[in-house]
Amino acid sequence: DAMVIQNPRYQVTQFGKPVTLSCSQTLNHNVMYWYQQKSSQAPKLLFHYYDKDFNNEADTPDNFQSRRPNTSFCFLDIRSPGLGDAAMYLCATSRGGGTSGETQYFGPGTRLLVL
Amino acid sequence: GENVEQHPSTLSVQEGDSAVIKCTYSDSASNYFPWYKQELGKRPQLIIDIRSNVGEKKDQRIAVTLNKTAKHFSLHITETQPEDSAVYFCAADNTGGFKTIFGAGTRLFVKA
Repeated sequence: DAMVIQNPRYQVTQFGKPVTLSCSQTLNHNVMYWYQQKSSQAPKLLFHYYDKDFNNEADTPDNFQSRRPNTSFCFLDIRSPGLGDAAMYLCATSRGGGTSGETQYFGPGTRLLVL
Repeated sequence: GENVEQHPSTLSVQEGDSAVIKCTYSDSASNYFPWYKQELGKRPQLIIDIRSNVGEKKDQRIAVTLNKTAKHFSLHITETQPEDSAVYFCAADNTGGFKTIFGAGTRLFVKA
């Protein structure tokens, strides 16, 4: 029944070593989002895709990249993780039916630890 | 851009009492206001939402009210239970796109 799946659930990487987090969805939603969340702060939007159209937030560091090879999958690449990138990374989806104001469905998150 | 402010940041209530969390938003064109509950280590989950064409919505012990003129909306939880303990985020849609702007969150403690 899982609708938004994230792998792995926990990821340990070394300082500066590239890491990729993955997200998949069975909802056939048009929009996929990546958020960074630190210690019970609000989720911070990094970027989102509407279908193949990529939308980056102005304050998202260049160190963060994303790929969406098809409707179901979306990846978050962190090219050179720093200690400050340790966080929970949440993937979310929304239907994207042509109007704003839609419910977002979150995955369980990947907790990233940088050593 | 849209800004959402949320108060209080922490709320402690006795089991059975009511809890109220308040949010204000800046973009008068926003028309969708979801509330998410996030338990420790888990994903945010939608608990209730409201659109701008209604002033109040209720689902069992949870209700949300919206005042479009004043640009504020509130979450009301009645007969609180220990399992209501979590962080609650209000949010508003960012008009012209598919983004959701979150409030800073309220950590609710329900004491048994």
